[in-house]
Amino acid sequence: SQKIEQNSEALNIQEGKTATLTCNYTNYSPAYLQWYRQDPGRGPVFLLLIRENEKEKRKERLKVTFDTTLKQSLFHITASQPADSATYLCALVLMRGSQGNLIFGKGTKLSVKP
Amino acid sequence: DGGITQSPKYLFRKEGQNVTLSCEQNLNHDAMYWYRQDPGQGLRLIYYSQIVNDFQKGDIAEGYSVSREKKESFPLTVTSAQKNPTAFYLCASSPIRGNEQFFGPGTRLTVL
Repeated sequence: SQKIEQNSEALNIQEGKTATLTCNYTNYSPAYLQWYRQDPGRGPVFLLLIRENEKEKRKERLKVTFDTTLKQSLFHITASQPADSATYLCALVLMRGSQGNLIFGKGTKLSVKP
Repeated sequence: DGGITQSPKYLFRKEGQNVTLSCEQNLNHDAMYWYRQDPGQGLRLIYYSQIVNDFQKGDIAEGYSVSREKKESFPLTVTSAQKNPTAFYLCASSPIRGNEQFFGPGTRLTVL
């Protein structure tokens, strides 16, 4: 069956450390993978998009990797701050036969302690 | 100010009533989407529209209906046929398929 899993429901880290969140999928062949941030009671906000032919993407303190052999994406936040505390969602984009719709994981709730 | 708006923020409904959730965008995006989010669950796609006067069912369309008469507007009706409508509803838009999606602030629907 097809699955997308973010393997930690919650992740607690100390301020200044690097947070690493994982997104694994099975039986999908995504063209893109996207990461979103969601704060409680609010809509998700887009962070980064990485294509199947890209290994790594960076934006300020954020870095995303995409390994289509392992069927895994890693999302890193370096020098983490309490303001980074939120739920982070990964989403697969299947261009073939799905109109480019997104398939979301359940999210990982990140808490950064001062 | 460009963006996507949803109203109301909170909505209470009695069992057996239909309710309509509003979604408006001024980003000039062609594609619009409705998602449902339940605690501990990922976002699940209800309906989507790639163009005016056309829309498609998503993964959980039963008990819902939509219309797309204008590019800017994509209202969602939760009908009495929806067995478990209490949830957080999110509307989103994107310029073309596969691109990043811009989400509204959400409507929290509670059935009393």
